[in-house]
Amino acid sequence: AQSVTQPDIHITVSEGASLELRCNYSYGATPYLFWYVQSPGQGLQLLLKYFSGDTLVQGIKGFEAEFKRSQSSFNLRKPSVHWSDAAEYFCAVSSGTYKYIFGTGTRLKVLA
Amino acid sequence: DTAVSQTPKYLVTQMGNDKSIKCEQNLGHDTMYWYKQDSKKFLKIMFSYNNKELIINETVPNRFSPKSPDKAHLNLHINSLELGDSAVYFCASSQLASSPQGDQYFGPGTRLLVL
Repeated sequence: AQSVTQPDIHITVSEGASLELRCNYSYGATPYLFWYVQSPGQGLQLLLKYFSGDTLVQGIKGFEAEFKRSQSSFNLRKPSVHWSDAAEYFCAVSSGTYKYIFGTGTRLKVLA
Repeated sequence: DTAVSQTPKYLVTQMGNDKSIKCEQNLGHDTMYWYKQDSKKFLKIMFSYNNKELIINETVPNRFSPKSPDKAHLNLHINSLELGDSAVYFCASSQLASSPQGDQYFGPGTRLLVL
């Protein structure tokens, strides 16, 4: 069965510092992988996605993620965090059907 | 223009009541979803409709009944509300008919509190 694990429930970084949010997935074939961001009181917004090809994908707001098949990981990174990046981040996996499986989320806090 | 809209944004009600949440998308998508996000932020799919037909029903109690009058709308009716139904309910849509990798676009959520 498909599953997504986000090991870090909370992460705190200082503004301007680099960020890496971890995501591990379990799926037999190559999955479709996504990162979404949820700002307080808002819906989810797609940051980036991976389907095939280049394993380093670029997204909106300066985020990128790297797909590593050998580690079953799809970690999200940003070289310099801004205070406005404080939010909840969700990794998701899909087999290409109608069903997405979401991780439990990582809450990012940014210190001024 | 709002791509995926939900009404109401907030819903406070008593146990045992029946309530409905409405969702509309103006993206021309063929697939719509309902998700439930609990107090721990865990997001779980409840239902999915493709071209007005139910394609996913994730062992949701039958007190929850989705209805899709057309491709652009997916409403959620909840009977006999229970305390455990308190959550944020998100509607989403995607275009899977033409692309299995279709991105899901989420509505702003409906915050349901059952007293």
